[in-house]
Amino acid sequence: NAGVTQTPKFRVLKTGQSMTLLCAQDMNHEYMYWYRQDPGMGLRLIHYSVGEGTTAKGEVPDGYNVSRLKKQNFLLGLESAAPSQTSVYFCASGETGLREYFGPGTRLTVT
Amino acid sequence: AQSVAQPEDQVNVAEGNPLTVKCTYSVSGNPYLFWYVQYPNRGLQFLLKYITGDNLVKGSYGFEAEFNKSQTSFHLKKPSALVSDSALYFCAVRDIFNKFYFGSGTKLNVKP
Repeated sequence: NAGVTQTPKFRVLKTGQSMTLLCAQDMNHEYMYWYRQDPGMGLRLIHYSVGEGTTAKGEVPDGYNVSRLKKQNFLLGLESAAPSQTSVYFCASGETGLREYFGPGTRLTVT
Repeated sequence: AQSVAQPEDQVNVAEGNPLTVKCTYSVSGNPYLFWYVQYPNRGLQFLLKYITGDNLVKGSYGFEAEFNKSQTSFHLKKPSALVSDSALYFCAVRDIFNKFYFGSGTKLNVKP
């Protein structure tokens, strides 16, 4: 039981490049979330999903897209990376009324 | 709108002394409240939650939190701090759509 895993752990992009972050969970959770963490700002919700095939916007969705084609996977895409997207990205999963389980994070730098 | 405030960026405490990390919240309806801890270069780890019931909630690693509805607070406490408790602590509230809102975090420094 691996819990929540994220791929990759680190990435450096140039402005304008695209990439996809993969989150996988093996706990059969319905809900999955993508957050970004920036110093002094806590975690801010980017997008989330309440089940396979569904996605919804969080607090800071601009510049990001997501897909949940399979229940266990939640993908976060950056179509045209900007320096403002330099951050640490965390994926989480959970069930109604219960705690979230967090992945180890992806550190993204956009130059 | 749902929100969480952690008024202290940093809390310093000596090892063996009691610690308190403050959290206040604003939420529509009944609050579902959580505390998480983050160690350097790691993801967040669950400490405890309040859904309903007793106002004093016990969690992992000897931590507890006191829910106070009239003051809309959910302060994290521990009777005797350890150096290993030094980390970043986040308070969070969950809304009726299962979205979580996090505070900005409080860095706890426990000195020997």
